[in-house]
Amino acid sequence: GAVVSQHPSRVICKSGTSVKIECRSLDFQATTMFWYRQFPKQSLMLMATSNEGSKATYEQGVEKDKFLINHASLTLSTLTVTSAHPEDSSFYICSASPGLAGALINEQFFGPGTRLTVL
Amino acid sequence: AQKVTQAQTEISVVEKEDVTLDCVYETRDTTYYLFWYKQPPSGELVFLIRRNSFDEQNEISGRYSWNFQKSTSSFNFTITASQVVDSAVYFCSLTSGSARQLTFGSGTQLTVLP
Repeated sequence: GAVVSQHPSRVICKSGTSVKIECRSLDFQATTMFWYRQFPKQSLMLMATSNEGSKATYEQGVEKDKFLINHASLTLSTLTVTSAHPEDSSFYICSASPGLAGALINEQFFGPGTRLTVL
Repeated sequence: AQKVTQAQTEISVVEKEDVTLDCVYETRDTTYYLFWYKQPPSGELVFLIRRNSFDEQNEISGRYSWNFQKSTSSFNFTITASQVVDSAVYFCSLTSGSARQLTFGSGTQLTVLP
């Protein structure tokens, strides 16, 4: 159980285009989803936290208008990189948390990641 | 605020050697979870272990073992008789009740040479 998928796994696009990445929890309902970015040889950096039905909370330094996050259902969150530029090339990883009521800590389950290359 | 420190950036060992990856954490919460993940070249994070703050019992799973010591705020990971397939980046991470976020260490690149 607790499987999270991401689509696409790899995308190459031209500078100036927008790219949408989907994150799905396949066998549980995710009240909270997280988006991370990982540059080569670096750690995962949290970009934003999204709760189903509400606006995402972005980390400091992450542009809200550039990285649009939608969490419209309990099993799907999308990250849209708008007007992508070469510096946005990175590995994007999502995670999903079931948000179990009464749980002290809700574990995150990670997707396989999406490698974005902007030419 | 919470913090995870993995002081070893890169480690290289020869196959069959034992290797220990260090992890030191900081949190003000008394309830927290610690994790280790493996990230092979493919990029997908592989969950290895979760440990809660109330359980200091060390754990062994095959060639993997973990040493959790609250007194030194450490959660070290040992691979016994390392194999080439163990080559990957290993991340230690922490989440606590108040933070509600997963904080990652900087990772340790382990290379096991044949």
